Amino acid sequence: AQSVTQLGSHVSVSEGALVLLRCNYSSSVPPYLFWYVQYPNQGLQLLLKYTSAATLVKGINGFEAEFKKSETSFHLTKPSAHMRDAAEYFCAVSVNSGNTPLVFGKGTRLSVIA
Amino acid sequence: GAGVSQTPSNKVTEKGKYVELRCDPISGHTALYWYRQSLGQGPEFLIYFQGTGAADDSGLPNDRFFAVRPEGSVSTLKIQRTERGDSAVYLCASSSSAGGTWGELFFGEGSRLTVL
Repeated sequence: AQSVTQLGSHVSVSEGALVLLRCNYSSSVPPYLFWYVQYPNQGLQLLLKYTSAATLVKGINGFEAEFKKSETSFHLTKPSAHMRDAAEYFCAVSVNSGNTPLVFGKGTRLSVIA
Repeated sequence: GAGVSQTPSNKVTEKGKYVELRCDPISGHTALYWYRQSLGQGPEFLIYFQGTGAADDSGLPNDRFFAVRPEGSVSTLKIQRTERGDSAVYLCASSSSAGGTWGELFFGEGSRLTVL
């Protein structure tokens, strides 16, 4: 079975500062990994995904994540936070077997301080 | 429509009542998923359809929960004898195994269920 652990339920950064949201996964087979973002009163939308190609994945809105097998991690980063980045971020894991359900972490709420 | 549509967006009901939540997926998406999101938690998997059949219903919490997708498109999540603990946002997502969107789930905005 697969699982993800997101370290820190709430992260607060200043505008312009580095954003780092942590995700560690557990999987008995090579995983596919995802980051989703949920803005207030909106549905979840995909930020980026890792599907066994390049280990450094670039997504929308300047976010990127690096797959590190040795650390079983898939941390999300952004060099400079904007106020509009304030949202809930979810890490999710799946396996390479077609349309299998994603298993989500509990989420990290990002606050950006002016 | 262009995205996943869920109705109603909000539903308030009394304990013991029956509730139906509807999901209209993206046209052409063969896979459809139901998740439940409680306050402060991530989405929790309930059931997954591939076409008309339930490919995995291991996440349904008990036999009060049931879902159908009779024509392989629209799906309905049915909850019998609702309990206060069923209060949550119910999310629907669809996906396609074609092309660059492999593995990506497209979510609706959810149906918020409140059981009084």
